[in-house]
Amino acid sequence: KAGVTQTPRYLIKTRGQQVTLSCSPISGHRSVSWYQQTPGQGLQFLFEYFSETQRNKGNFPGRFSGRQFSNSRSEMNVSTLELGDSALYLCASSLQRLQETQYFGPGTRLLVL
Amino acid sequence: GQQLNQSPQSMFIQEGEDVSMNCTSSSIFNTWLWYKQDPGEGPVLLIALYKAGELTSNGRLTAQFGITRKDSFLNISASIPSDVGIYFCAGVSSGSARQLTFGSGTQLTVLP
Repeated sequence: KAGVTQTPRYLIKTRGQQVTLSCSPISGHRSVSWYQQTPGQGLQFLFEYFSETQRNKGNFPGRFSGRQFSNSRSEMNVSTLELGDSALYLCASSLQRLQETQYFGPGTRLLVL
Repeated sequence: GQQLNQSPQSMFIQEGEDVSMNCTSSSIFNTWLWYKQDPGEGPVLLIALYKAGELTSNGRLTAQFGITRKDSFLNISASIPSDVGIYFCAGVSSGSARQLTFGSGTQLTVLP
């Protein structure tokens, strides 16, 4: 079974731009969660999607949004990028809604200049 | 919010040595997870613990879910060079807002 895939792997943007990241979960997994990882803040939960609905949200501004499609693939969007948004963005999938065992993708490394 | 204290922050050990790291929380968790992350990659799940007091092994790795449900430890025996990486603990809380809370990580370096 293929693992969680994320595209693109690397991205460079400038302040004020917006970005869309994509995540394809493990086949059969219906829950997708997104995390931001930075050296200073560690791994922080962004949001979780299940059955095309956002079920849970972390403490991030409204510039961070996402969606999930009927095939469970998910996208995350960040608008009006700030320098502090530079991070590794990870998505994780699990079989059911926020099942404890989550499997992570390789991440998208975003650099905001 | 919930916080996980993971220690130590970093470790330098000789190949062949055993290593231990732990996480403590101010809150109760229903599940403890241990992940390893290599540079440029996402975390890989090593061990999952679902019951207080549970002791689980995965090869040279052993982890325990603390009786109080507020702590967990991970032991690695007979370390090898490929054990190098960052190890994270993560707790899952109960209730409708279940989500993973991660520790700050333990950077492990294995010296030949």
